[in-house]
Amino acid sequence: DVKVTQSSRYLVKRTGEKVFLECVQDMDHENMFWYRQDPGLGLRLIYFSYDVKMKEKGDIPEGYSVSREKKERFSLILESASTNQTSMYLCASSSPGGVETQYFGPGTRLLVL
Amino acid sequence: DQQVKQNSPSLSVQEGRISILNCDYTNSMFDYFLWYKKYPAEGPTFLISISSIKDKNEDGRFTVFLNKSAKHLSLHIVPSQPGDSAVYFCAASDEGSQGNLIFGKGTKLSVKP
Repeated sequence: DVKVTQSSRYLVKRTGEKVFLECVQDMDHENMFWYRQDPGLGLRLIYFSYDVKMKEKGDIPEGYSVSREKKERFSLILESASTNQTSMYLCASSSPGGVETQYFGPGTRLLVL
Repeated sequence: DQQVKQNSPSLSVQEGRISILNCDYTNSMFDYFLWYKKYPAEGPTFLISISSIKDKNEDGRFTVFLNKSAKHLSLHIVPSQPGDSAVYFCAASDEGSQGNLIFGKGTKLSVKP
């Protein structure tokens, strides 16, 4: 059974703070993804990674960066948090080889004050 | 420009009746489609998928139908249960996208007892 865990379920930060969101998967998946979910906007892809040290921009990368130092861990970084980054952040992973089902973590609800 | 559209933001159904959730897409290169279910404050969970070489896939109470000529797919839930109340996301991908999924904005299903 695939397990994707995220470091925090709820997080409150102040504007300008640097924020780290951690994601770990235990299925040896090569692909990992970060999304944000906002009401009426669905899931929007921020960044993804196909392998260690590799990263690709998604649809809305501005204001975010990522780190993939180990295969099982994919971190999302908000360099200087802003109120418009208040959202639900979802991490997902999948195995490579064409289209594969993505498995999601429980999400981190981030509030930036 | 949305490539995957879920035009109904919400749907209300009586327990025991059929729920039909619809999804339209514009990219004819999409060859794999998935439905995810999401409860509040949780990550999306994979429900059912269909490849473009099929027009129907069934799993228990859930059936997905694909009409390639109309670029339309639907998820049928029969019979609907109160526990099915959630947001349902349609997602699509093509072989060249290396596992990236394009999500619709979601439809909130409410099943009333």
